[in-house]
Amino acid sequence: DIQLTQSPSFLSASIGDRVTITCRASQGISSYLVWYQQKPGKAPQLLIYAASTLQSGVPSRFSGSGSGTEFTLTISSLQPEDFATYYCQQGNTYPLTFGGGTKVEIK
Amino acid sequence: EVQLVESGGGLIQPGGSLRLSCAASGFAVSNNYMSWVRQAPGKGLEWVALIYSGGSTYYTDSVKGRFTISRDDSKNTLYLQMSSLRAEDTAVYYCAKGGYTPMHRTPHFGMDVWGQGTTVTVSS
Repeated sequence: DIQLTQSPSFLSASIGDRVTITCRASQGISSYLVWYQQKPGKAPQLLIYAASTLQSGVPSRFSGSGSGTEFTLTISSLQPEDFATYYCQQGNTYPLTFGGGTKVEIK
Repeated sequence: EVQLVESGGGLIQPGGSLRLSCAASGFAVSNNYMSWVRQAPGKGLEWVALIYSGGSTYYTDSVKGRFTISRDDSKNTLYLQMSSLRAEDTAVYYCAKGGYTPMHRTPHFGMDVWGQGTTVTVSS
């Protein structure tokens, strides 16, 4: 199975900060990498697919990059509604797998 | 409006069986690939199973032989039949629709529509 390792697992940041989350795959997954945002008690929401394509309706302060084994999610200017947990997921190989999550909290 | 609504969760004893349902509206499950994803209390997300429009199915190893994903096209509903349930199957179960790239309608294997989740608790 492909392991996805997210770092950091926890992040404390202030409104307006630029935030970067990394997702590393245990083997190459081309660009089959997806990012989600999840708030407590809610279902995940798709942010980015194909490593760098913004899902319709998602604010442009979110961006993704990478291919192969290393990927990043960047929030250019953190807003109050962005405090949540973020997950990466690979779609290259079954079983589909998720990273362990990165919780973004208010400093 | 595109929507998914799960039902069927509850408290079940170890070794028991349960069937989850996921009613879709605003799109046809028969024309899409659909997944079940679960989240144990306080834990991360875990993909469980997927069914393609053509009927092919895939499972994570820990549920193979115990869970079955299926759909009823006439009811526009996705199912997850779970048997031989274990304590470690305790989780919120979400159904989700697989996404496609807009230009070529190629699966990108992200999940772009999610239900609200249904809770399964396996305990004696």
